Amino acid sequence: KAGVTQTPRYLIKTRGQQVTLSCSPISGHRSVSWYQQTPGQGLQFLFEYFSETQRNKGNFPGRFSGRQFSNSRSEMNVSTLELGDSALYLCASSNLGSWRAEAFFGQGTRLTVV
Amino acid sequence: ELKVEQNPLFLSMQEGKNYTIYCNYSTTSDRLYWYRQDPGKSLESLFVLLSNGAVKQEGRLMASLDTKARLSTLHITAAVHDLSATYFCAVDRGSQGNLIFGKGTKLSVKP
Repeated sequence: KAGVTQTPRYLIKTRGQQVTLSCSPISGHRSVSWYQQTPGQGLQFLFEYFSETQRNKGNFPGRFSGRQFSNSRSEMNVSTLELGDSALYLCASSNLGSWRAEAFFGQGTRLTVV
Repeated sequence: ELKVEQNPLFLSMQEGKNYTIYCNYSTTSDRLYWYRQDPGKSLESLFVLLSNGAVKQEGRLMASLDTKARLSTLHITAAVHDLSATYFCAVDRGSQGNLIFGKGTKLSVKP
């Protein structure tokens, strides 16, 4: 079955702009989580959505937001981009109804802010 | 606050040698994950460890979990170059649906 799909794969934006990233989870998975990966801070949790509701949020400023649609697809938005937002953004989906609740990651979106 | 610490952060090995990566975490959790990441790529799930004493093996990699000691290990047997990658452990915060990752161990296997 198809894996987690993230679009776009690469993105270059200018400081001050905003950006929207998209994530399509594995079919049947209702939980979608977002992570930011940078060389300095490593992998950090951004937020998690389940059935269109944000259930948990990491320690990121309000410029970072997200949403989930009824088909479980999720988007995250970053407004007023800063140079420090340059990172690999990873989306993960999981089937929380499963005992394993394993998270499967997409290929990521590489965001560069110039 | 849940913290996950891995060591070593960098590991240079010769082919054919054995080594162990350690993952300590600070609060109770019954689920621990190991992921592999190749440069510029996403995270590939290696192991899911769900209970105390769990041991899983796949090829030259074996992972174990001791929930009482809050310790997981990833043992590499007879390393080969193809194992060169960064390995992450992550702890599940239960129903909160997010993972806390260690900083990763960058493994380089040299001939």
